[in-house]
Amino acid sequence: GENVEQHPSTLSVQEGDSAVIKCTYSDSASNYFPWYKQELGKGPQLIIDIRSNVGEKKDQRIAVTLNKTAKHFSLHITETQPEDSAVYFCAASMGAGNKLTFGGGTRVLVKP
Amino acid sequence: GAVVSQHPSRVICKSGTSVKIECRSLDFQATTMFWYRQFPKKSLMLMATSNEGSKATYEQGVEKDKFLINHASLTLSTLTVTSAHPEDSSFYICSARDRVQNTEAFFGQGTRLTVV
Repeated sequence: GENVEQHPSTLSVQEGDSAVIKCTYSDSASNYFPWYKQELGKGPQLIIDIRSNVGEKKDQRIAVTLNKTAKHFSLHITETQPEDSAVYFCAASMGAGNKLTFGGGTRVLVKP
Repeated sequence: GAVVSQHPSRVICKSGTSVKIECRSLDFQATTMFWYRQFPKKSLMLMATSNEGSKATYEQGVEKDKFLINHASLTLSTLTVTSAHPEDSSFYICSARDRVQNTEAFFGQGTRLTVV
């Protein structure tokens, strides 16, 4: 089955700096890669996703890049703010609505 | 985005009792529901997938008689933890999608189960 590795497990950045989280996946058949933000005691919220037919997608301060050949994708958050502090999960699946395999999560702390 | 409501958000029960968690899609038809379990500071682990009107498909290692899933309507799925034990204490999260419309999966708020 699919295996998703996520790094780093924790990330501390100064407010205003950028944060980068990287994930690798094992199954070349995976074609949908969402990123979720999870705050304490709540369910995950989709923040951005990318499909395998594009290499990059951007939404305001958040961007995701995908390298299908290397089977890795990354989340970039620019101009970080304290409210960006949360746990971020990457995931992979075969199709947008199929079961997701999650990475281990990255705890991001943005220091004011 | 679409709304998935999960209830209760927190529940405490005694060992040996059963607990039911509900997952409702409020503004779309949830043809497929996913149930996840999350341990503290860990990732989400898929427990089972259910399609409306069909039996759930459980992931390897998940006891189907322990975690009963019912998905009898297009807006409601339930997870019942039977004969709960302290090791069943966890954060349970559902997600739902509309397979016909080919939407992404939307997550509920999660349920914190504590078995004492």
